Amino acid sequence: GESVGLHLPTLSVQEGDNSIINCAYSNSASDYFIWYKQESGKGPQFIIDIRSNMDKRQGQRVTVLLNKTVKHLSLQIAATQPGDSAVYFCAETPHGKLSFGAGTTVTVRA
Amino acid sequence: DAGVIQSPRHEVTEMGQEVTLRCKPISGHDYLFWYRQTMMRGLELLIYFNNNVPIDDSGMPEDRFSAKMPNASFSTLKIQPSEPRDSAVYFCASRQKGDMGDTGELFFGEGSRLTVL
Repeated sequence: GESVGLHLPTLSVQEGDNSIINCAYSNSASDYFIWYKQESGKGPQFIIDIRSNMDKRQGQRVTVLLNKTVKHLSLQIAATQPGDSAVYFCAETPHGKLSFGAGTTVTVRA
Repeated sequence: DAGVIQSPRHEVTEMGQEVTLRCKPISGHDYLFWYRQTMMRGLELLIYFNNNVPIDDSGMPEDRFSAKMPNASFSTLKIQPSEPRDSAVYFCASRQKGDMGDTGELFFGEGSRLTVL
């Protein structure tokens, strides 16, 4: 069946460095993608989204890249801070019903 | 706005007991979603409503699970009878109708952590 998956389950980053979190998706009908951040004991929180008619979108310290040819999504975090330590999920939807990937745990080293 | 409000935050119960989880979505949101999160299976969509009507319940594990949305400001997820494998964090989320019809940011509650002994 269709699925959303992540390349790496964990990522350790030095404070101040840039982080790149990758995500693969398999549903070619998906036209909307979102990145969520989940801190311990809390619900997922929206970071940034992108529609399939775009290949790049920038937010505050974050950039999402979409490569529809290889069905790949990435989240780049600039100047990673301790507060960025969390689990990051990519999610896709072809018809409004979001499917989440397994998540990547990001740990920021001081 | 207070955001999506869920109760209880923590529930510990014994196998066979009925469990009711509650959710108050953000006012004005048309869609309400129930998700379950476990280490093994991640975030799974159980059911979602549009304008209080259940649209897709294909993720509901079995007949022991039921969800209702009697009005725009309240939804319940009930498990009867509960089993140890139901132990998980249950999230409620809501959103407005998106610009392109079916998309838009989901706002999640803080979750209800259920432990069934």
